[in-house]
Order: sequence, then structure tokens, then C-alpha cells
Amino acid sequence: KAGVTQTPRYLIKTRGQQVTLSCSPISGHRSVSWYQQTPGQGLQFLFEYFSETQRNKGNFPGRFSGRQFSNSRSEMNVSTLELGDSALYLCASSNFTHVPTEAFFGQGTRLTVV
Amino acid sequence: AQSVTQLDSQVPVFEEAPVELRCNYSSSVSVYLFWYVQYPNQGLQLLLKYLSGSTLVESINGFEAEFNKSQTSFHLRKPSVHISDTAEYFCAVSESMGSNYKLTFGKGTLLTVNP
Repeated sequence: KAGVTQTPRYLIKTRGQQVTLSCSPISGHRSVSWYQQTPGQGLQFLFEYFSETQRNKGNFPGRFSGRQFSNSRSEMNVSTLELGDSALYLCASSNFTHVPTEAFFGQGTRLTVV
Repeated sequence: AQSVTQLDSQVPVFEEAPVELRCNYSSSVSVYLFWYVQYPNQGLQLLLKYLSGSTLVESINGFEAEFNKSQTSFHLRKPSVHISDTAEYFCAVSESMGSNYKLTFGKGTLLTVNP
């Protein structure tokens, strides 16, 4: 069974640009969550999607957005990039419906903003 | 709101020594608890979980953790560590809150096993 796949693995962007990151969950998993990991703030929850609907959102500005497609694949978008957006972005999938289960994480996309 | 505190940011130990990584959580409702491990330039891998039932949970590679509701703790232990256990360990909590699924992580503990 294939794991969670995130593309690309590495990305370098310039301040002011926008970026789209992709996540393919484990087959059959309908919940996809996104997290930002930085040395200073640690792991912070961005948002969670289930069946194409955003069910939960973290405390991030509106520049951070996401969506989920009918095949459960998800994308997150960051517009008007700032230097502080440099981070490892992790995607996690789970088969959570109403009872929490473990989340399976991808290897992440390392975004560097210069 | 839920929160997780990992009391030690770094724990250096010698190979074959025992180790305990501490985790305390704060929540007003029932929780589900997890330990994840992260190796350099990798994502997070689930080490073990507490969802219900026995308060002592074990992983396949010798780690164990005990859920203590009265002390709101979920400390991770291993009786004898190996060099390969060097990694960053994250404690996480998920509240039972209907259809919302969100993990709240601690800041992480870097375990360094020295020969």
C-alpha cells in the first residue's frame, strides 16, 4: 500500500510569488491535513479537509489556502510569499470519520523563500 | 483548547542506557495521544498511540508509553536505547470533538544516543 506522497520535495521561491504544494493520501483515506514545521514554532496545524470540505482551520492568514479533489488528493497554496513562510510543509492522511485515528505523514515539501 | 508540553528539548544518553521522554497535555475533554518520530529530512512516523483500553501501549521497537489521566501525562520510555534511536520525538494530542480532526504537537525532544 503506497504511503502519502508529497510533491515537490524541495522548492525555492522569491518573496511575493505564490506556490502550490500537492499531496496524494493513502488510498481510501478521505481526511487530509496540512501542517507547517519551523524551528521556532514547531509543528502547527494549517487545515483539514474531508470529502472536499474544509472541516477545521488553524490560525494562519488568508494567504494560506487549500482544497481537496474528489479523489482525495489535496493542494495547498500560499500567495504573496514572505521570508517567514520558509518551512517544511507536511501533509497527513487518515481514515478518520468520527473517531480520531493515527495520521500518516508524507515526507514533506521544504519551501525556501528568498 | 488542547496543548502539549514536552519538558525536555534535548536528551543526550549513552547507548544501552534507559531513557524517558516526558509529555504533559492539557485538555478539557477526552483525548487521544500519540508519539511520532522524525528522522532528519523525513516526515513523521507514528511510534505508538493511545486511543482507549490499556493505559500502557508498546511499539514494535521497544518503546512504551503510559497514559496517566490524573497527571495528564503520556511519557515515552525505552529500557535500552540504540544509536539508531537518535531522532526527534513528538508527542501529540487529538481531542474528541465531533467531526473536527486536528493534532496538536509538542515542540519535540531531540534524543541523541552516543556510543
